[in-house]
Amino acid sequence: GQNIDQPTEMTATEGAIVQINCTYQTSGFNGLFWYQQHAGEAPTFLSYNVLDGLEEKGRFSSFLSRSKGYSYLLLKELQMKDSASYLCAAPQTGANNLFFGTGTRLTVIP
Amino acid sequence: DADVTQTPRNRITKTGKRIMLECSQTKGHDRMYWYRQDPGLGLRLIYYSFDVKDINKGEISDGYSVSRQAQAKFSLSLESAIPNQTALYFCATSDLGQGVGNEQFFGPGTRLTVL
Repeated sequence: GQNIDQPTEMTATEGAIVQINCTYQTSGFNGLFWYQQHAGEAPTFLSYNVLDGLEEKGRFSSFLSRSKGYSYLLLKELQMKDSASYLCAAPQTGANNLFFGTGTRLTVIP
Repeated sequence: DADVTQTPRNRITKTGKRIMLECSQTKGHDRMYWYRQDPGLGLRLIYYSFDVKDINKGEISDGYSVSRQAQAKFSLSLESAIPNQTALYFCATSDLGQGVGNEQFFGPGTRLTVL
């Protein structure tokens, strides 16, 4: 089976750093994705990790540990526009579809 | 212009009606997907198609059917709509030969309400 767990909600302050965690269980591994989704809008791609370690892309970084089945998304210098849901997703075993977690709704407060 | 478009964007219908949601893409991708999104449940896959002659059921295909009319078009039908099909529906595309991994590109969504 396949399972992805991430916190339902988080709140952080403008200008701060926040880490959104994701744990996953898959019988095979073919990378891990993070998507951002503003309320009522389409998800948009943020990052893809297939190797262990941290990948940095501007204010956003994503980390992967395959041995621990663990990933996190790190958002620095938070802005109000970062208030959104962040979806962790993994390719489904034996297929090329994505299996999505339920998402973490991040609220950035002044 | 948007690469992935969905019509209609909003629809209110009654129980028992047949509804078709349409998706078009100009990205030239072979793979297309239909998801529904419900609060607290995340995105769930309904159907997917890897080319015009390939249609596959996803996690929650019961009550839905699809048609891949062309590489660029993938439509989702609710033969007899019921209230628990009220949800936000997304179409997505991907091309494994380009981009990263299996990155999917999403349409703007269709908000469907079944009364």
